[in-house]
Amino acid sequence: DAKTTQPPSMDCAEGRAANLPCNHSTISGNEYVYWYRQIHSQGPQYIIHGLKNNETNEMASLIITEDRKSSTLILPHATLRDTAVYYCIVRPATTSGTYKYIFGTGTRLKVLA
Amino acid sequence: ETGVTQTPRHLVMGMTNKKSLKCEQHLGHNAMYWYKQSAKKPLELMFVYNFKEQTENNSVPSRFSPECPNSSHLFLHLHTLQPEDSALYLCASSQDRGRGGGRDTQYFGPGTRLTVL
Repeated sequence: DAKTTQPPSMDCAEGRAANLPCNHSTISGNEYVYWYRQIHSQGPQYIIHGLKNNETNEMASLIITEDRKSSTLILPHATLRDTAVYYCIVRPATTSGTYKYIFGTGTRLKVLA
Repeated sequence: ETGVTQTPRHLVMGMTNKKSLKCEQHLGHNAMYWYKQSAKKPLELMFVYNFKEQTENNSVPSRFSPECPNSSHLFLHLHTLQPEDSALYLCASSQDRGRGGGRDTQYFGPGTRLTVL
């Protein structure tokens, strides 16, 4: 079962910031939060990940609360090409040492012109 | 481009056919994955290979047979599939650094859209 909870859908006006929330209240101390997005019928695209501190890259910013029970992905200036399903994933460890992602249903973000 | 390629991009097959999906990664990774994404369902992990050894089989039916001849290539052999096996099949790769930690971001290919008639 997925360990994250996301709203099923959100709209955002083009040029505005898109703030996508994720709840991961059962996260363990050594688990990372990863964000991916999937544009229609394509493979998921890696966006960003973090452990405790806030992170920023050329695509987005990731804000993780101090208790690590929730996070927010921020797309600072959303464009129509950002319309996609966004997945928040908490990465558990497997016995093999290879980390297994569990994808939920994500948030369908629609950027409006 | 993520450095992970998949062929073919689209495949239509009958239930009695045998076909194979191919995945190749150019990232120097040592772990490779097969996922299945059915319509309106989350991605489901099928198989994991680490240094060419299968480490995960997520209760996948035997009509799906994976093969990993080396760390750069991964195949999914298909035979006697059912219409409900129609889905997007995704390959991913990562650098597995073991349980001691280290990041292993998975990078996905574009997927193969499979239709079983």
